[in-house]
Formats: sequence, structure tokens, C-alpha cells
Amino acid sequence: GNSVTQMEGPVTLSEEAFLTINCTYTATGYPSLFWYVQYPGEGLQLLLKATKADDKGSNKGFEATYRKETTSFHLEKGSVQVSDSAVYFCALRDYGNNRLAFGKGNQVVVIP
Amino acid sequence: GAGVSQSPSNKVTEKGKDVELRCDPISGHTALYWYRQSLGQGLEFLIYFQGNSAPDKSGLPSDRFSAERTGGSVSTLTIQRTQQEDSAVYLCASSLGSSGGTESYTQYFGPGTRLTVL
Repeated sequence: GNSVTQMEGPVTLSEEAFLTINCTYTATGYPSLFWYVQYPGEGLQLLLKATKADDKGSNKGFEATYRKETTSFHLEKGSVQVSDSAVYFCALRDYGNNRLAFGKGNQVVVIP
Repeated sequence: GAGVSQSPSNKVTEKGKDVELRCDPISGHTALYWYRQSLGQGLEFLIYFQGNSAPDKSGLPSDRFSAERTGGSVSTLTIQRTQQEDSAVYLCASSLGSSGGTESYTQYFGPGTRLTVL
């Protein structure tokens, strides 16, 4: 079945540091890939997406590239801000299946 | 336009009681989804509605859980005889549906209903 794996544990870093959150997936078809962000006390917000291999999704300074050869969709941001503190979820939607499969999420804490 | 709305935002109930959670999708979205977010299980799919088609109920954890979608818009998730393990945040999402294009299945989430079963 479809599954998404995110790196274990919270991520704590200083303001203006480089952020990477790893995401790998297993899918039977050709999935679309998503990153969602959940700010404290709020619902899930779509951050970015990519629908086919080598596509790059980007938004608010965040980027992720759909790598079919490594089945990965790692999230990166060059210079984080305190306001980026949130939980980040990687998700996939497989072709022909309308549900999303989510990773466990990573809490990101940015310290001033 | 307005996003997905859910009510109530918080619900505290006693074990054994029934609860109803409501979701109002984005206007014009024909697809509606329910998910559950809990500490132990992460985000789990529950049920999916697309237009007038039979819903995909394959994620519902037990027969105590049911959902309806009236008039192709508002949806209600009902949990009967609640148990403590039902405590979670219940999230609703909607998407344009099978209208074609990659945007048709991008899901937009509501703020969720936090359910606490005592």
C-alpha cells in the first residue's frame, strides 16, 4: 500500500538557519506529492505540491523537488524565521485513489 | 471565498454518548473527506464523498462511525456510543472533485473539531 515516511523527531534550529525535512514514499502508481503545514492551534494548510517527477513545488521560500529515482520529496528552506515554527506533514495521493496518505509529521521550532 | 468550516471547534462528551460533527466544504467543491488526527496514529483517512457516488467508507474504524452528506454540500460525521479511544481531532477537507486537472484533487482542510471523550 501507499505510505509516507518522515524523519523521526522534532527539529530545533536558530533563526536564519537552513531547514531540511526528509520525506520518502512508497506508492503503487504515480503519486502526487504534497507538504502541509499546521501552525499552533490551527488546521492543516497546503504549503506546496508537485504532480510529476522532477517537478519542483515552492511557496513562502519553501521548496521540494519530486525525485522519482529516490522516491523522495524533501522540504527545504534557506533561511527560516520564528514564524515558520509549526508541524510539517508530507503526504501523497496515488493515481486513482483520492485519499491522502500522510507521514507522521515533524515539529519545527525556530529559536530567535 | 470562505474556506472549509467545521463545528463545533471543541466537543467534550461522556463515554457512551453519541456525537455529531459538522463540515461545510468550500462552495463548488464536489469532493469531501474526513480524517482523524490522534497522537498515537497520526493522520488517518476515514471517509470520502464524491458528488452523488457511493462514499468510500473504507477508513471508518468501526460500525459506530457513520457519515452523511446532504444535498452534495454539508456533511455530518456521527460517532455512536463514544469510547475514550475516539478522542482526537477530526478534520474535514474538500476538493474540486473530478472536474479535471491537477487542482481538482488538491484538498483544503478545515480547522478541525477536537473531541474529548471522558
